[in-house]
Amino acid sequence: AQSVTQLDSHVSVSEGTPVLLRCNYSSSYSPSLFWYVQHPNKGLQLLLKYTSAATLVKGINGFEAEFKKSETSFHLTKPSAHMSDAAEYFCVVSGLSGNTPLVFGKGTRLSVIA
Amino acid sequence: DVKVTQSSRYLVKRTGEKVFLECVQDMDHENMFWYRQDPGLGLRLIYFSYDVKMKEKGDIPEGYSVSREKKERFSLILESASTNQTSMYLCASSSGDDRVILPDYEQYFGPGTRLTVT
Repeated sequence: AQSVTQLDSHVSVSEGTPVLLRCNYSSSYSPSLFWYVQHPNKGLQLLLKYTSAATLVKGINGFEAEFKKSETSFHLTKPSAHMSDAAEYFCVVSGLSGNTPLVFGKGTRLSVIA
Repeated sequence: DVKVTQSSRYLVKRTGEKVFLECVQDMDHENMFWYRQDPGLGLRLIYFSYDVKMKEKGDIPEGYSVSREKKERFSLILESASTNQTSMYLCASSSGDDRVILPDYEQYFGPGTRLTVT
Protein backbone atom coordinates (compact mmCIF):
# COMPACT_ATOMS: atom_id res chain seq x y z
CA ALA A 1 0.00 0.00 0.00
CA GLN A 2 1.08 3.54 -0.62
CA SER A 3 1.81 5.88 2.28
CA VAL A 4 3.40 9.24 2.86
CA THR A 5 5.04 10.69 5.96
CA GLN A 6 5.58 14.37 6.50
CA LEU A 7 8.37 14.53 9.00
CA ASP A 8 7.44 17.86 10.59
CA SER A 9 4.01 18.95 11.70
CA HIS A 10 5.14 22.57 12.05
CA VAL A 11 8.04 24.51 10.55
CA SER A 12 8.86 28.08 11.42
CA VAL A 13 11.26 30.22 9.35
CA SER A 14 12.21 33.86 9.16
CA GLU A 15 11.25 35.86 6.10
CA GLY A 16 14.01 35.68 3.49
CA THR A 17 15.48 32.39 4.76
CA PRO A 18 15.22 29.01 2.99
CA VAL A 19 12.26 26.70 3.41
CA LEU A 20 12.55 22.92 3.68
CA LEU A 21 9.45 20.75 4.17
CA ARG A 22 10.28 17.07 4.35
CA CYS A 23 8.32 14.18 2.91
CA ASN A 24 9.06 10.47 2.67
CA TYR A 25 6.89 8.03 0.78
CA SER A 26 6.37 4.34 0.56
CA SER A 27 5.14 2.73 -2.62
CA SER A 28 5.25 -0.67 -4.22
CA TYR A 29 5.70 0.86 -7.66
CA SER A 30 6.87 4.12 -9.22
CA PRO A 31 4.44 6.65 -7.85
CA SER A 32 3.32 10.09 -8.84
CA LEU A 33 3.98 12.63 -6.10
CA PHE A 34 2.44 16.00 -5.41
CA TRP A 35 2.62 18.94 -3.07
CA TYR A 36 -0.58 20.84 -2.35
CA VAL A 37 -0.86 24.08 -0.39
CA GLN A 38 -3.79 25.31 1.68
CA HIS A 39 -3.92 28.93 2.71
CA PRO A 40 -6.14 29.87 5.66
CA ASN A 41 -9.84 29.49 4.86
CA LYS A 42 -9.08 28.36 1.32
CA GLY A 43 -9.26 25.09 -0.56
CA LEU A 44 -6.15 23.13 -1.53
CA GLN A 45 -4.15 24.20 -4.55
CA LEU A 46 -1.62 22.16 -6.50
CA LEU A 47 1.91 23.46 -5.98
CA LEU A 48 3.78 20.94 -8.12
CA LYS A 49 3.79 17.31 -9.23
CA TYR A 50 6.26 14.61 -10.19
CA THR A 51 5.16 12.03 -12.74
CA SER A 52 8.35 10.14 -13.70
CA ALA A 53 9.83 12.82 -15.91
CA ALA A 54 12.54 15.14 -14.55
CA THR A 55 13.42 14.41 -10.92
CA LEU A 56 13.67 18.11 -10.05
CA VAL A 57 10.23 19.63 -10.31
CA LYS A 58 9.51 23.34 -10.31
CA GLY A 59 6.19 24.62 -9.07
CA ILE A 60 4.39 27.86 -8.52
CA ASN A 61 5.60 30.71 -6.30
CA GLY A 62 9.26 29.67 -6.47
CA PHE A 63 8.84 26.25 -4.85
CA GLU A 64 10.56 23.15 -6.12
CA ALA A 65 10.90 19.53 -5.06
CA GLU A 66 13.35 16.77 -5.88
CA PHE A 67 12.34 13.14 -6.28
CA LYS A 68 15.00 10.87 -4.78
CA LYS A 69 14.14 7.25 -5.33
CA SER A 70 17.07 5.90 -3.33
CA GLU A 71 15.92 7.89 -0.29
CA THR A 72 12.18 7.57 -1.03
CA SER A 73 11.93 11.30 -0.45
CA PHE A 74 10.21 14.24 -2.10
CA HIS A 75 11.19 17.27 -0.05
CA LEU A 76 9.81 20.72 -0.86
CA THR A 77 12.16 23.70 -0.90
CA LYS A 78 12.19 27.40 -1.56
CA PRO A 79 15.30 29.60 -1.44
CA SER A 80 13.69 32.57 0.29
CA ALA A 81 10.47 32.56 2.31
CA HIS A 82 7.83 35.26 1.96
CA MET A 83 5.13 36.11 4.45
CA SER A 84 2.55 34.93 1.92
CA ASP A 85 4.02 31.41 2.06
CA ALA A 86 2.52 30.86 5.51
CA ALA A 87 0.07 27.99 4.97
CA GLU A 88 -0.48 24.26 5.40
CA TYR A 89 1.40 22.03 2.97
CA PHE A 90 0.43 18.49 2.05
CA CYS A 91 2.62 15.86 0.44
CA VAL A 92 0.55 13.43 -1.61
CA VAL A 93 1.31 10.11 -3.30
CA SER A 94 -0.79 8.47 -5.97
CA GLY A 95 -2.54 5.34 -4.90
CA LEU A 96 -3.28 2.37 -7.04
CA SER A 97 -6.38 2.95 -9.10
CA GLY A 98 -9.14 1.72 -6.91
CA ASN A 99 -10.48 3.05 -3.71
CA THR A 100 -7.72 5.51 -2.88
CA PRO A 101 -6.63 7.59 -5.86
CA LEU A 102 -4.48 9.89 -3.72
CA VAL A 103 -2.95 9.34 -0.29
CA PHE A 104 -2.38 12.54 1.71
CA GLY A 105 0.20 13.21 4.35
CA LYS A 106 -0.92 14.74 7.63
CA GLY A 107 0.32 18.18 6.63
CA THR A 108 3.05 20.61 7.67
CA ARG A 109 2.11 24.05 8.88
CA LEU A 110 4.61 26.64 7.72
CA SER A 111 4.93 29.84 9.75
CA VAL A 112 6.95 32.77 8.41
CA ILE A 113 8.25 35.29 10.92
CA ALA A 114 8.90 38.88 9.89
CA ASP B 1 -11.09 29.92 -14.40
CA VAL B 2 -11.76 26.52 -12.87
CA LYS B 3 -14.21 26.48 -10.05
CA VAL B 4 -15.49 24.10 -7.42
CA THR B 5 -18.14 25.56 -5.16
CA GLN B 6 -19.62 24.21 -1.95
CA SER B 7 -23.04 25.22 -0.75
CA SER B 8 -22.03 26.46 2.69
CA ARG B 9 -18.83 27.68 4.33
CA TYR B 10 -20.12 27.08 7.85
CA LEU B 11 -22.89 24.82 9.05
CA VAL B 12 -24.18 23.98 12.52
CA LYS B 13 -26.46 20.98 12.95
CA ARG B 14 -27.87 18.99 15.82
CA THR B 15 -27.15 15.35 16.59
CA GLY B 16 -29.48 13.08 14.65
CA GLU B 17 -30.27 15.57 11.89
CA LYS B 18 -29.92 14.61 8.24
CA VAL B 19 -27.31 16.84 6.63
CA PHE B 20 -26.71 17.56 2.95
CA LEU B 21 -23.45 19.04 1.69
CA GLU B 22 -23.53 20.11 -1.93
CA CYS B 23 -20.66 20.49 -4.35
CA VAL B 24 -20.76 21.84 -7.90
CA GLN B 25 -17.95 22.01 -10.46
CA ASP B 26 -17.99 23.89 -13.74
CA MET B 27 -15.10 22.13 -15.48
CA ASP B 28 -17.03 19.19 -16.97
CA HIS B 29 -14.88 16.83 -14.88
CA GLU B 30 -15.71 13.16 -14.75
CA ASN B 31 -14.38 12.53 -11.25
CA MET B 32 -15.55 14.04 -7.99
CA PHE B 33 -14.41 13.43 -4.43
CA TRP B 34 -15.42 14.11 -0.85
CA TYR B 35 -12.78 14.37 1.88
CA ARG B 36 -12.84 15.28 5.51
CA GLN B 37 -9.98 17.20 7.03
CA ASP B 38 -9.13 17.01 10.72
CA PRO B 39 -6.14 18.56 12.53
CA GLY B 40 -3.17 16.22 12.58
CA LEU B 41 -4.87 13.68 10.32
CA GLY B 42 -4.60 15.33 6.91
CA LEU B 43 -7.29 14.59 4.34
CA ARG B 44 -9.18 11.33 4.35
CA LEU B 45 -11.27 10.19 1.43
CA ILE B 46 -14.93 9.49 2.21
CA TYR B 47 -16.41 8.71 -1.22
CA PHE B 48 -15.67 9.41 -4.82
CA SER B 49 -17.45 9.12 -8.14
CA TYR B 50 -16.09 8.60 -11.63
CA ASP B 51 -19.38 9.00 -13.48
CA VAL B 52 -22.98 10.03 -13.02
CA LYS B 53 -24.82 7.66 -10.68
CA MET B 54 -21.57 5.84 -9.89
CA LYS B 55 -19.92 5.92 -6.49
CA GLU B 56 -17.01 4.24 -4.76
CA LYS B 57 -16.17 4.04 -1.07
CA GLY B 58 -13.03 5.70 0.11
CA ASP B 59 -11.18 5.12 3.36
CA ILE B 60 -13.87 6.26 5.81
CA PRO B 61 -17.37 5.85 4.29
CA GLU B 62 -19.15 4.80 7.49
CA GLY B 63 -21.94 7.18 8.45
CA TYR B 64 -21.98 8.87 5.03
CA SER B 65 -23.64 8.39 1.68
CA VAL B 66 -23.37 10.27 -1.62
CA SER B 67 -25.46 11.11 -4.63
CA ARG B 68 -24.45 12.06 -8.13
CA GLU B 69 -27.46 12.62 -10.36
CA LYS B 70 -25.76 15.14 -12.64
CA LYS B 71 -22.18 15.32 -13.83
CA GLU B 72 -21.47 18.68 -12.24
CA ARG B 73 -23.00 17.99 -8.82
CA PHE B 74 -21.87 15.63 -6.05
CA SER B 75 -23.70 15.57 -2.73
CA LEU B 76 -22.52 14.21 0.59
CA ILE B 77 -25.22 13.05 2.99
CA LEU B 78 -24.96 12.46 6.69
CA GLU B 79 -28.00 10.32 7.40
CA SER B 80 -27.95 10.97 11.15
CA ALA B 81 -25.31 13.46 12.17
CA SER B 82 -23.14 12.69 15.16
CA THR B 83 -20.66 14.82 17.09
CA ASN B 84 -17.72 12.82 15.74
CA GLN B 85 -18.64 14.06 12.27
CA THR B 86 -17.75 17.62 13.26
CA SER B 87 -15.06 18.42 10.72
CA MET B 88 -14.01 20.36 7.64
CA TYR B 89 -15.41 18.77 4.48
CA LEU B 90 -13.65 19.32 1.18
CA CYS B 91 -14.98 18.54 -2.27
CA ALA B 92 -12.69 18.08 -5.27
CA SER B 93 -12.94 17.21 -8.95
CA SER B 94 -10.58 16.00 -11.64
CA SER B 95 -10.53 14.93 -15.25
CA GLY B 96 -10.88 11.24 -15.96
CA ASP B 97 -10.77 8.77 -18.79
CA ASP B 98 -13.46 6.25 -19.42
CA ARG B 99 -14.34 5.58 -15.79
CA VAL B 100 -10.75 5.34 -14.70
CA ILE B 101 -9.44 7.56 -11.93
CA LEU B 102 -6.11 8.82 -13.19
CA PRO B 103 -4.02 9.76 -10.16
CA ASP B 104 -1.74 12.00 -12.22
CA TYR B 105 -4.55 14.40 -12.94
CA GLU B 106 -4.71 17.43 -10.69
CA GLN B 107 -7.59 17.58 -8.26
CA TYR B 108 -9.31 20.95 -7.92
CA PHE B 109 -10.68 21.71 -4.49
CA GLY B 110 -13.57 23.75 -3.21
CA PRO B 111 -13.13 26.11 -0.21
CA GLY B 112 -14.58 23.63 2.25
CA THR B 113 -17.56 23.44 4.58
CA ARG B 114 -16.87 23.57 8.30
CA LEU B 115 -19.57 21.44 9.89
CA THR B 116 -20.25 21.51 13.60
CA VAL B 117 -22.59 18.92 15.08
CA THR B 118 -23.84 19.74 18.58
